[in-house]
Amino acid sequence: KAGVTQTPRYLIKTRGQQVTLSCSPISGHRSVSWYQQTPGQGLQFLFEYFSETQRNKGNFPGRFSGRQFSNSRSEMNVSTLELGDSALYLCASSPFSYGYTFGSGTRLTVV
Amino acid sequence: KNEVEQSPQNLTAQEGEFITINCSYSVGISALHWLQQHPGGGIVSLFMLSSGKKKHGRLIATINIQEKHSSLHITASHPRDSAVYICAVTLGSSYKLIFGSGTRLLVRP
Repeated sequence: KAGVTQTPRYLIKTRGQQVTLSCSPISGHRSVSWYQQTPGQGLQFLFEYFSETQRNKGNFPGRFSGRQFSNSRSEMNVSTLELGDSALYLCASSPFSYGYTFGSGTRLTVV
Repeated sequence: KNEVEQSPQNLTAQEGEFITINCSYSVGISALHWLQQHPGGGIVSLFMLSSGKKKHGRLIATINIQEKHSSLHITASHPRDSAVYICAVTLGSSYKLIFGSGTRLLVRP
């Protein structure tokens, strides 16, 4: 059974650019959630999607957005990148929003 | 004050020792999760609890809803248990996870 797949694994971007990260959940899982991990702030919830609907959003600026497709795959987008956006971005999938399986993450470096 | 507090922040143990990591929370929750993160970033979900106690191999997790407290125990610790252990809670009826700051565990051979 394939796990949660995040692409790309590593990314280097320049300040002001935008970036799109992808998450493919476990087959049959309809909930996908996104998290940001930094050394200073730890793990923080970004947003959660279920059947293409965003059900909850964390305290992040509007530059952070996401969406979920009909096949449950999800993307998150960060526009106008700032140095502070450098982080490990993790997604997790779940069949019912509890009991999460995490991906390996995308490590984003903004220079 | 953080909504989810973990202790200790760092823990060093000798192989074979019994280890306890504590988690206290101050909000209404629908579930509590224990996660393990190895260097390199991958996170593994160890337990999801809403009451009582769960056991998986050498790992035991307990939760006391009235006291808003959970513990993760590792029996007969091994160097491969070295990792960061993170407590997280699902808030009430939302789908939002709130995380503790993690406990960095090092088990020496």
